[in-house]
Amino acid sequence: DAKTTQPTSMDCAEGRAANLPCNHSTISGNEYVYWYRQIHSQGPQYIIHGLKNNETNEMASLIITEDRKSSTLILPHATLRDTAVYYCIVRVEGSGNTGKLIFGQGTTLQVKP
Amino acid sequence: DTAVSQTPKYLVTQMGNDKSIKCEQNLGHDTMYWYKQDSKKFLKIMFSYNNKELIINETVPNRFSPKSPDKAHLNLHINSLELGDSAVYFCASSQAPPRGYTFGSGTRLTVV
Repeated sequence: DAKTTQPTSMDCAEGRAANLPCNHSTISGNEYVYWYRQIHSQGPQYIIHGLKNNETNEMASLIITEDRKSSTLILPHATLRDTAVYYCIVRVEGSGNTGKLIFGQGTTLQVKP
Repeated sequence: DTAVSQTPKYLVTQMGNDKSIKCEQNLGHDTMYWYKQDSKKFLKIMFSYNNKELIINETVPNRFSPKSPDKAHLNLHINSLELGDSAVYFCASSQAPPRGYTFGSGTRLTVV
């Protein structure tokens, strides 16, 4: 089962920041948080990942709370092309190299004009 | 130039047939995966290979058999196709964690 919970859907006005929350209260100390998105049945696209510190790249920012039990993905200036399902994932580790990404239901973000 | 490429993109076939989906990555990654996305849009991992060795095998029927001839290729063969196998199948690859996965564009399989 996925180790994260996200709202089912969110709306955002074009040009505004989109803030997507995620709860991962059972995360372990060495587990990373990953964010992916899937645009209209295309392959999931990697956005960003983090462990403890906040992270930023050309696509988004990731804010992780100090207790690491939740995080927020920020798209600073949402465009219509950012409409997609956004997945927050904690990689489940196994012995050897048997870790895997388990996808939950994600948040459907609708960016509106 | 495509990092992870899958063929075919669409596959329509009759129940009982055997079909294969091919996946190739040119990223030099060591690990490759197959995911299945059903009509409810849930993405579920099926298999994972690391350097041609099977390392993850989720609860998948024996009719599904992955094959990795080398670390750049991971094919999926499905025997005796059933209606419930209709889904989009995604191939992915990754380097050692915590690097992210790169997914292919998917193969939409329809069993009639």
